[in-house]
Amino acid sequence: GAVVSQHPSWVICKSGTSVKIECRSLDFQATTMFWYRQFPKQSLMLMATSNEGSKATYEQGVEKDKFLINHASLTLSTLTVTSAHPEDSSFYICSASSGTSGYNEQFFGPGTRLTVL
Amino acid sequence: GNSVTQMEGPVTLSEEAFLTINCTYTATGYPSLFWYVQYPGEGLQLLLKATKADDKGSNKGFEATYRKETTSFHLEKGSVQVSDSAVYFCALSDPWQGGKLIFGQGTELSVKP
Repeated sequence: GAVVSQHPSWVICKSGTSVKIECRSLDFQATTMFWYRQFPKQSLMLMATSNEGSKATYEQGVEKDKFLINHASLTLSTLTVTSAHPEDSSFYICSASSGTSGYNEQFFGPGTRLTVL
Repeated sequence: GNSVTQMEGPVTLSEEAFLTINCTYTATGYPSLFWYVQYPGEGLQLLLKATKADDKGSNKGFEATYRKETTSFHLEKGSVQVSDSAVYFCALSDPWQGGKLIFGQGTELSVKP
C-alpha cells in the first residue's frame, strides 16, 4: 500500500510555543489530506480536511487560528499548533488520499505525539 | 448525522478463540464501511472494507458483512492469534462528503497464549 510519513514522531514543547507537524505521502500524490486528533484510549476525531492548493475545511469546534493547516503540494501537508497549551497534548494523526470521494482509500501516517509542558 | 458505535473493550481472548466485535452505524445515505487496525505504537491500517449492502470484506482471516437491514458491520475471526492483539476501529465514509471518515470509539483486543 501507499506510505505516509509524519515528522516528528514525538515532540515536547513549552506552553506558549508553536509546533509544526509534517505529513508526507511518499509514493503517491495526495489530493486530499486529513488531520485527526486521538486522545488516550479514545477514537480519532477529524479536525480538518485539506485539498492541495485550497484552504482547509475545519470541523465544528476546531479553532482554525490555533491549528493552522497548509497543503502546499501534492505530497506535503503541515499542521501548526500555535501557542500550544497543556490541553493540546494529544496524538495527532494525518491521512492522505489520492482523490476527493469516499471511494478513495485513506492511508494513515504513524502519528505524532505532542506533549505540552 | 452519521455515527458509528462499536462494542466497548477491552476484549480478552485465548489464542484460537472465536472473535466478534460488534459495530453498528447510523447514516443518512449509503456509506462505505471499514475496519481499521492499530497495532501498538503504529498508525492505522485498513483491515477490510465493504462499499455496498451485502458485500463481505475479508483479509487475514477477518471478515465483516455490510448488513443494511440491521445497519451493522460486525468483525469476525474464527481463530485469533496473539499477533492480532491491537485496537480495532469501525468507520464509515459517506462518498458524497469528500471521503471523511467517521470512527467508532475503538475496541482493544488482547489475545493471550
